[in-house]
Amino acid sequence: KAGVTQTPRYLIKTRGQQVTLSCSPISGHRSVSWYQQTPGQGLQFLFEYFSETQRNKGNFPGRFSGRQFSNSRSEMNVSTLELGDSALYLCASRLGQNTEAFFGQGTRLTVV
Amino acid sequence: QQQVKQSPQSLIVQKGGIPIINCAYENTAFDYFPWYQQFPGKGPALLIAIRPDVSEKKEGRFTISFNKSAKQFSLHIMDSQPGDSATYFCAASKQGSNYKLTFGKGTLLTVNP
Repeated sequence: KAGVTQTPRYLIKTRGQQVTLSCSPISGHRSVSWYQQTPGQGLQFLFEYFSETQRNKGNFPGRFSGRQFSNSRSEMNVSTLELGDSALYLCASRLGQNTEAFFGQGTRLTVV
Repeated sequence: QQQVKQSPQSLIVQKGGIPIINCAYENTAFDYFPWYQQFPGKGPALLIAIRPDVSEKKEGRFTISFNKSAKQFSLHIMDSQPGDSATYFCAASKQGSNYKLTFGKGTLLTVNP
């Protein structure tokens, strides 16, 4: 059974640009969450999607947005990139409510 | 406001030792407490999880102890091995539609041969 797949694995962008990250959840999983991991702040929740609806959002600026498609695949977009956005972005999928979250390997974003 | 406090930041033990990692939470609405293991270059992998209706859960060499009144929980790794060297994160969440994992800052465990 394939795990959570995130693409690309690595990305280098320039300040001011925008970026789109992709996440394919485990087959059958309808919930997708996104997290930002940095050495200073640790793992922080960005948002969660379930059946194409954003159900919960973390404390991040509006430059961070996401969406989920009918096949449960999700994308995350960051506009007007800042140096501080450099991080490992992790996607996690769940089958449904009250079930475990399984993480992908992440996308390492570097903003220069 | 850090809702889940994890200690220690780093830990070094000898092979066969029993490292213990502690976490404390503030939000009494939390009702699900997982532990994740992360190796460099990889995403966090779920190790073991507990709900507040039990005080202890074992899976293989990993044990979670849970103290609801103290709002604390801990991970014990029995007979630790060099392959257990990784960063460990505790987390907490409230199940249901308002779901999100709140993570501790992590513990870097090194198990020496």
